[in-house]
Amino acid sequence: LAKTTQPISMDSYEGQEVNITCSHNNIATNDYITWYQQFPSQGPRFIIQGYKTKVTNEVASLFIPADRKSSTLSLPRVSLSDTAVYYCLVGASGGGADGLTFGKGTHLIIQP
Amino acid sequence: KAGVTQTPRYLIKTRGQQVTLSCSPISGHRSVSWYQQTPGQGLQFLFEYFSETQRNKGNFPGRFSGRQFSNSRSEMNVSTLELGDSALYLCASRWDRDYEQYFGPGTRLTVT
Repeated sequence: LAKTTQPISMDSYEGQEVNITCSHNNIATNDYITWYQQFPSQGPRFIIQGYKTKVTNEVASLFIPADRKSSTLSLPRVSLSDTAVYYCLVGASGGGADGLTFGKGTHLIIQP
Repeated sequence: KAGVTQTPRYLIKTRGQQVTLSCSPISGHRSVSWYQQTPGQGLQFLFEYFSETQRNKGNFPGRFSGRQFSNSRSEMNVSTLELGDSALYLCASRWDRDYEQYFGPGTRLTVT
């Protein structure tokens, strides 16, 4: 499985755009990049998944450069409720790679 | 459609005891995975069951075991509990390997 590296924590303010970058130098040809969000005392929730270029949904955008060795999750106009831990995963599509390890994620703190 | 449910939500056990946790997946989902989450190690994969068979297993000792029933409900058992087993245990279900995982709220296990 490709190992991922992401910042331990980030701070931002309400209304700002937040970009969280994840490095995955050993990503395999068949691997997808998936992001999950987790609030305290809750299970992770799927946010977005992509293979290359750009993917956008109603919650976030995911930017993947041509070499696919990194990816950036973009959260537009964040609010206090976006304070959570964000996990970057690399593996089979659907975020369901066998033997998936989430790691410690990025703790995003949004301030008023 | 009802989400993934886990019982009990909270549990306190003593070292040396054993514990059984239960997970009911989303209706129609055939895959159930179990994860352990601790502050120090993050979210780690325990095992996955699909159609009553263990399909994949993480790097945990044999004290951690599971099973899946014909209705896709799953149980996880931990024998000879240790203090380090205190964690949030999360269950996730999905239709199959290439599909998004849906997590339950977790069971908070405290070992004293």
